[in-house]
Amino acid sequence: AQSVTQPDIHITVSEGASLELRCNYSYGATPYLFWYVQSPGQGLQLLLKYFSGDTLVQGIKGFEAEFKRSQSSFNLRKPSVHWSDAAEYFCAVGEGGGNKLTFGTGTQLKVEL
Amino acid sequence: KAGVTQTPRYLIKTRGQQVTLSCSPISGHRSVSWYQQTPGQGLQFLFEYFSETQRNKGNFPGRFSGRQFSNSRSEMNVSTLELGDSALYLCASSLDRPYEQYFGPGTRLTVT
Repeated sequence: AQSVTQPDIHITVSEGASLELRCNYSYGATPYLFWYVQSPGQGLQLLLKYFSGDTLVQGIKGFEAEFKRSQSSFNLRKPSVHWSDAAEYFCAVGEGGGNKLTFGTGTQLKVEL
Repeated sequence: KAGVTQTPRYLIKTRGQQVTLSCSPISGHRSVSWYQQTPGQGLQFLFEYFSETQRNKGNFPGRFSGRQFSNSRSEMNVSTLELGDSALYLCASSLDRPYEQYFGPGTRLTVT
């Protein structure tokens, strides 16, 4: 069965600093990979996705992620964090043709001003 | 284009009752999936419907069921509610697969 690991439960960064959130997956076939963000009391917003092709994908709000098959990783990055980026971030892998998502446990991001 | 809408947003039920949650997908989207989010178990996939047929199913008991209508709107039903069913229930829609899923704001269900 597929699984997703987000090793960092909480991360605190200063505004303007760079950010990297880690995600490792376990999946036998070519994975469909996603990053979502959730603000308190809200649903999930899609930041970016990887299906195939270029391993560096760009998303919304200045986020990017790099797919590394050899490391089974799909880490999310942002060069300069803004206070409004404080939220919980979820990595997910899709199976069943892509629509059955398995989520990681999430990383709570705090931004210090 | 309007996003995914879910009704009601909040619900309080008593143990043993049943509940029905509704989801309207983005216009043109034919796939609707449901997820349960709890502090203890995180985000878990319930089921996916496409063209009124269940296409994928998660590991939940038979008390959890769903359906999809010809206009792609979907409902999920939970019978004989248990305290552990208290959760945020999220609906997501997509064009088909594999396409990205867009989530609604969720229905917060509290079982007392």
